[in-house]
Amino acid sequence: DVKVTQSSRYLVKRTGEKVFLECVQDMDHENMFWYRQDPGLGLRLIYFSYDVKMKEKGDIPEGYSVSREKKERFSLILESASTNQTSMYLCASSGAGTRLYEQYFGPGTRLTVT
Amino acid sequence: KNEVEQSPQNLTAQEGEFITINCSYSVGISALHWLQQHPGGGIVSLFMLSSGKKKHGRLIATINIQEKHSSLHITASHPRDSAVYICAVGLYNTDKLIFGTGTRLQVFP
Repeated sequence: DVKVTQSSRYLVKRTGEKVFLECVQDMDHENMFWYRQDPGLGLRLIYFSYDVKMKEKGDIPEGYSVSREKKERFSLILESASTNQTSMYLCASSGAGTRLYEQYFGPGTRLTVT
Repeated sequence: KNEVEQSPQNLTAQEGEFITINCSYSVGISALHWLQQHPGGGIVSLFMLSSGKKKHGRLIATINIQEKHSSLHITASHPRDSAVYICAVGLYNTDKLIFGTGTRLQVFP
């Protein structure tokens, strides 16, 4: 069974804090993605990575950075959290062995910044 | 204008009804995905289509490439079908997806 896990289901942080969201996949996938999901806007791509140490900006990268030091792990970093980053964050992965472009999603992290 | 449009945004139904959710897109795609998201957040893939029609249990997905339109049908709907259904398209020569805003379905007993 394919599995994508995220470090927390719920997280509450204060404005200005540095926040780390971790995602781990056990499918040896090359591609990993970070999305945020907001009511009425759907899923929007923040960053994605197509290989270790490789990253590419998505549609809304401002205020975020990422790290991929190992193939199975993709971290999203909020350098200085702000209230407008309160959202649901979803990680996904895809790669060889899956149906073309099918992405597998983690359970999501609901982040509240106060 | 969004590149992927879904309708309706919200849908309520009585148990047993036939449900249709529509998705239109304006870009060239390699495949179209239908995803399901239950309360609590987790997203699962229902279908991936590049042509024609697929069926899985009570769920049927169709796509018309020429018209850039897809539909997701649920026959004999059940309260456990209550979820958000999301249409997403995969762009040519990329692993990225573009998502619709989702259709929230509630099925009442």
